[in-house]
Amino acid sequence: GESVGLHLPTLSVQEGDNSIINCAYSNSASDYFIWYKQESGKGPQFIIDIRSNMDKRQGQRVTVLLNKTVKHLSLQIAATQPGDSAVYFCAETPGANNLFFGTGTRLTVIP
Amino acid sequence: DSGVTQTPKHLITATGQRVTLRCSPRSGDLSVYWYQQSLDQGLQFLIQYYNGEERAKGNILERFSAQQFPDLHSELNLSSLELGDSALYFCASSVGPQGARGNTIYFGEGSWLTVV
Repeated sequence: GESVGLHLPTLSVQEGDNSIINCAYSNSASDYFIWYKQESGKGPQFIIDIRSNMDKRQGQRVTVLLNKTVKHLSLQIAATQPGDSAVYFCAETPGANNLFFGTGTRLTVIP
Repeated sequence: DSGVTQTPKHLITATGQRVTLRCSPRSGDLSVYWYQQSLDQGLQFLIQYYNGEERAKGNILERFSAQQFPDLHSELNLSSLELGDSALYFCASSVGPQGARGNTIYFGEGSWLTVV
């Protein structure tokens, strides 16, 4: 079955620094990936997505990198702010309607 | 605010009981998804409905069922509840039937279920 996992369960960064959150996936058929942010007491919120025909996509302060060779993607957050503190999930959709979520990384921004 | 409304926000019930969770999708969205988030299983897809019809099925137990009504709201019914069913249940919605492909999926704030 599909397996999406994260390298680090927690990450603490200083305010203003850049954050990098990593994610490994196991299903080589996955061709679409999404990063979600979940703040305390709220549902997951879409941040950015990337298709497998790309290796990089940029949004506002966020960049997602995809390495299909090693089945790895990362989320980079530039100039991390206290409001970025949350749990971040990567999710893959290997052709089906389902979203398969990783276990999540808790990002804590230290003021 | 995602526009997806879930009720109740919190629910405590005893083992063996049955509960119903309710979801109103964003205005204009025809797809409704249900997810379960627990500490040991993470976020798990349960089921998707599109315009009243079941569209996709995930790890939904036989004790659980869902439906989507003509007004597009959805209900998730959980019966013969066990301690392990304690979790946060999310409803999400999107415009089209394709799931995450071609649609942004918007999540509600969840319904906390505690089974005691």
